[in-house]
Amino acid sequence: EPEVTQTPSHQVTQMGQEVILRCVPISNHLYFYWYRQILGQKVEFLVSFYNNEISEKSEIFDDQFSVERPDGSNFTLKIRSTKLEDSAMYFCASSIRNTEAFFGQGTRLTVV
Amino acid sequence: AQSVTQLGSHVSVSEGALVLLRCNYSSSVPPYLFWYVQYPNQGLQLLLKYTTGATLVKGINGFEAEFKKSETSFHLTKPSAHMSDAAEYFCAVSENNAGKSTFGDGTTLTVKP
Repeated sequence: EPEVTQTPSHQVTQMGQEVILRCVPISNHLYFYWYRQILGQKVEFLVSFYNNEISEKSEIFDDQFSVERPDGSNFTLKIRSTKLEDSAMYFCASSIRNTEAFFGQGTRLTVV
Repeated sequence: AQSVTQLGSHVSVSEGALVLLRCNYSSSVPPYLFWYVQYPNQGLQLLLKYTTGATLVKGINGFEAEFKKSETSFHLTKPSAHMSDAAEYFCAVSENNAGKSTFGDGTTLTVKP
């Protein structure tokens, strides 16, 4: 069964460093998303991406965040200068159209 | 704007008992509604969804949910709990684009032997 894959499963980085979280969406999907879940809290929408551009973003998705689909298969989330409060589980999701999104297993980001 | 309220952050049932997880939503347009399950250290798995049509939707693992517009509810039920159902459950609402969903705070389901 096709699935969304995310790498790495766990990333530890020092405060102020840049990190790139990687996702391979399901191959025929057209819509891509990033969500995050701070430990013990709810899942929060970050950004949606369609037709090679951001279609919507939340207040959380400020200038330190960026997304890219560099090669037609990967979908990345970059955090330019990480802060302690960026520590969270980051979920990538994709959908073929405006129906349900399929989620990856997540990348746990720990900023120290 | 859309929002979701899950009543009860923790629900505990005995194995074989009815599972009822409550979800109320707010949406300015006809909503899409979802229930996801999250096992420890794992991703989100879609249990079931409501978009249009039949208001009683059946999902995986014996779960079902009923969309009640008049009550703005989408409660999740399962007739008989199994130990493997112990997990975190999230209700989510979307107004158009299903990827941009608003999630509830989640309900932790514990199943006692």
